[in-house]
Amino acid sequence: DIQMTQSPSSVSASIGDRVTITCRASQDVSSWLAWYQQKPGKAPKLLIYVASSLQSGVPSRFSGSGSGTDFTLTISSLQPEDFATYYCQQAKSFPLTFGGGTKVEIK
Amino acid sequence: QVQLVESGGGVVQPGRSLRLSCVASGFSFSHFPLHWVRQAPGEGLEWVAVLSSDGTNKYYADSVKGRFTISRDDSNNTLFLEMSSLRAEDTAVYYCARDWARGYISSSLDYWGQGTLVTVSS
Repeated sequence: DIQMTQSPSSVSASIGDRVTITCRASQDVSSWLAWYQQKPGKAPKLLIYVASSLQSGVPSRFSGSGSGTDFTLTISSLQPEDFATYYCQQAKSFPLTFGGGTKVEIK
Repeated sequence: QVQLVESGGGVVQPGRSLRLSCVASGFSFSHFPLHWVRQAPGEGLEWVAVLSSDGTNKYYADSVKGRFTISRDDSNNTLFLEMSSLRAEDTAVYYCARDWARGYISSSLDYWGQGTLVTVSS
């Protein structure tokens, strides 16, 4: 199975900050990587697919980059509604696997 | 608009069975692969299973293989998860989710239901 490791596990940031979350795969997943946002008590929401494609309706302050084993999710200017937990997920092979999550908290 | 509504969760004793349902609306159900993903209380996301749009390809997480079965009823726009030999570690919120791609499994999940809680306890 492909292991997905996210860092940091949590980050404290202020409104307007630039936030970067990293995801590393245990083997090459090419660009088969997605990012999700989850708020407490809610279902996850797809933000980015195939590493860098922005899902329809997602604000442009979210961006994804990377390929192979190293990926990044960037929020260019943090907004109040962005405080949530973020997960990466490899879509290269079964079983699909998620990272452990990164909680973005208010500083 | 796309909607996925899960049901069937509840409290069940270890070793027993339970069937979850997910009713879909707002899209061409038969054209999309569908997934189940679960989340134990306070934990991260764990993918459970996927079923292709034509129903021929199924894949499962190792943790549920041989115990869970995914199926679909396209005439009623419904996805199922039949769970047997349930264990305490199967306790989780179970989400159904639509695959982003029409006609093939892309494994990016673009629409999710609200989830249904399964608690395995004696």
